Amino acid sequence: EAGVAQSPRYKIIEKRQSVAFWCNPISGHATLYWYQQILGQGPKLLIQFQNNGVVDDSQLPKDRFSAERLKGVDSTLKIQPAKLEDSAVYLCASSNSRVTEKLFFGSGTQLSVL
Amino acid sequence: RKEVEQDPGPFNVPEGATVAFNCTYSNSASQSFFWYRQDCRKEPKLLMSVYSSGNEDGRFTAQLNRASQYISLLIRDSKLSDSATYLCVVPRPGNTPLVFGKGTRLSVIA
Repeated sequence: EAGVAQSPRYKIIEKRQSVAFWCNPISGHATLYWYQQILGQGPKLLIQFQNNGVVDDSQLPKDRFSAERLKGVDSTLKIQPAKLEDSAVYLCASSNSRVTEKLFFGSGTQLSVL
Repeated sequence: RKEVEQDPGPFNVPEGATVAFNCTYSNSASQSFFWYRQDCRKEPKLLMSVYSSGNEDGRFTAQLNRASQYISLLIRDSKLSDSATYLCVVPRPGNTPLVFGKGTRLSVIA
């Protein structure tokens, strides 16, 4: 079974530039999550989708971050404009139920903002 | 109290040692708890779930104390391959989404 796919693996940008991350969840998984993990900390939820609807985006900095999952399958997360403090690993995860403990994570995108 | 708080670590232990990590949580309504393992520069993966008083899987034992609102992870006979960061995970009310602790780093030394 293919896992959660993310790209790119690494991204280096300058502050105030824009960046986009892509995620393709495990086939059939209706729930998709984007987490931000800053070095030395645990993953912090940015947004959760159930199919193509948003379940929770309470911690998403909406002035600069946006995410979509238009067809209920793959998803993109965008940052515009980026700040230095956005440097982190962005993890995408999926699960086959809205209420589940088992999240399957992708390898993440490591973002460095200079 | 923070939603999820873990022992700061790092824990440096010799092979064969027994080590335990604690995690406290603030939401008394939480029914289930989880430990995820994260290797260096890798993604987190589910290690164990705890639904009632505890759960045991080989060398790993997770225990829950609802009265004091903490869960623990015990690793017996530590192996070099156990070196990783262990993340305590607690659901918010309604069982979603999951809130991750900062993690406790374990280094098992030969």
